[in-house]
Amino acid sequence: EAEVAQSPRYKITEKSQAVAFWCDPISGHATLYWYRQILGQGPELLVQFQDESVVDDSQLPKDRFSAERLKGVDSTLKIQPAELGDSAMYLCASSPGLGYTFGSGTRLTVV
Amino acid sequence: QKEVEQNSGPLSVPEGAIASLNCTYSDRGSQSFFWYRQYSGKSPELIMSIYSNGDKEDGRITAQLNKASQYVSLLIRDSQPSDSATYLCAVNSNSNSGYALNFGKGTSLLVTP
Repeated sequence: EAEVAQSPRYKITEKSQAVAFWCDPISGHATLYWYRQILGQGPELLVQFQDESVVDDSQLPKDRFSAERLKGVDSTLKIQPAELGDSAMYLCASSPGLGYTFGSGTRLTVV
Repeated sequence: QKEVEQNSGPLSVPEGAIASLNCTYSDRGSQSFFWYRQYSGKSPELIMSIYSNGDKEDGRITAQLNKASQYVSLLIRDSQPSDSATYLCAVNSNSNSGYALNFGKGTSLLVTP
């Protein structure tokens, strides 16, 4: 079964450092999403791509977060500088339409 | 802000019983509804989708949708300890965000042997 690949699985970083997460969606899925899930909460959308274009980044804290999907395939989410409140699970998902598949996520701990 | 509300639980049911999970949403224009299961430390897994009023059954699981009441529910029959997880309700509102889903906070289900 096709999967959404994410790396790394776990990341510990010091506050004020830069951190990056990578996602490779299921082949052929044009839409890619990045979500953040704080412990005990539901996932919250950070950014949505359609191919290489950003469809929605209204909830992305743009002073410190950036996301790109240069060739419309894999994607990178960056945080610089990281803050303690950024500790969360960062989930990538892809879909051909409605109802999408999540990757295994990256658990970020900022110390 | 379009809201998706779930009781956080925990909901505790004995093995073999029916677990009933509920979700309400604020956007009357919502069209598509999903349930995801999330085990502790894992990512969400899609277990059910429903698009029209009524019931949809898949094995031990039934989703129910009532758009007039803005209510969607998930029933798990013959609950097993392996069903213990957090269940996330997700709603798509056909906004400018296309197929993006708005999630509730999830309901924690504990099935006791």
